[in-house]
Amino acid sequence: AAGVIQSPRHLIKEKRETATLKCYPIPRHDTVYWYQQGPGQDPQFLISFYEKMQSDKGSIPDRFSAQQFSDYHSELNMSSLELGDSALYFCASSLKRGAHEKLFFGSGTQLSVL
Amino acid sequence: DQQVKQNSPSLSVQEGRISILNCDYTNSMFDYFLWYKKYPAEGPTFLISISSIKDKNEDGRFTVFLNKSAKHLSLHIVPSQPGDSAVYFCAASDRGGSEKLVFGKGTKLTVNP
Repeated sequence: AAGVIQSPRHLIKEKRETATLKCYPIPRHDTVYWYQQGPGQDPQFLISFYEKMQSDKGSIPDRFSAQQFSDYHSELNMSSLELGDSALYFCASSLKRGAHEKLFFGSGTQLSVL
Repeated sequence: DQQVKQNSPSLSVQEGRISILNCDYTNSMFDYFLWYKKYPAEGPTFLISISSIKDKNEDGRFTVFLNKSAKHLSLHIVPSQPGDSAVYFCAASDRGGSEKLVFGKGTKLTVNP
């Protein structure tokens, strides 16, 4: 069965550069969530989208922006990268908004900022 | 401020024995709790959940217990199998307030054959 696809799997950037992370949800899933997991840390909620509109916002820095497109894929844009942005970024999708037991996670994008 | 705490970073048990993973929370608004399992190089996958109106939920070898007065939940795996070796995340949500999940830092379970 199709799963949540995240690209790229790994990304290496320099400080002050920009990065774009992509997430392709499971077909027919209209809700997307982004989480950031720093080394040895718990996954932290960044932002979520439902039907292409932002539905909730967490601890997402102003340097980051995200959107969900008409085909329901989502992109997380990160500018002026800092060393502390190095983390594993998970995207998750669900068919039903807020149905966490029906939440499917991608394998994540490992971002390293040097 | 860590609202969901998993105080044991790791746990090692013998195959066939019981694994008990613990989780504490501080936010009394949380009304739904979940456990996710994560293998290396994969995303977390849903394992089992419990609503705050219950104190126990069972699914095969997995049982989650909730003690609301103590703000504590635990995941029991019995019998443990080597394939259960993974990182287990406890997560909580306030379904009336936000869509987000609040995670603990995870407990790495190793089941030895």
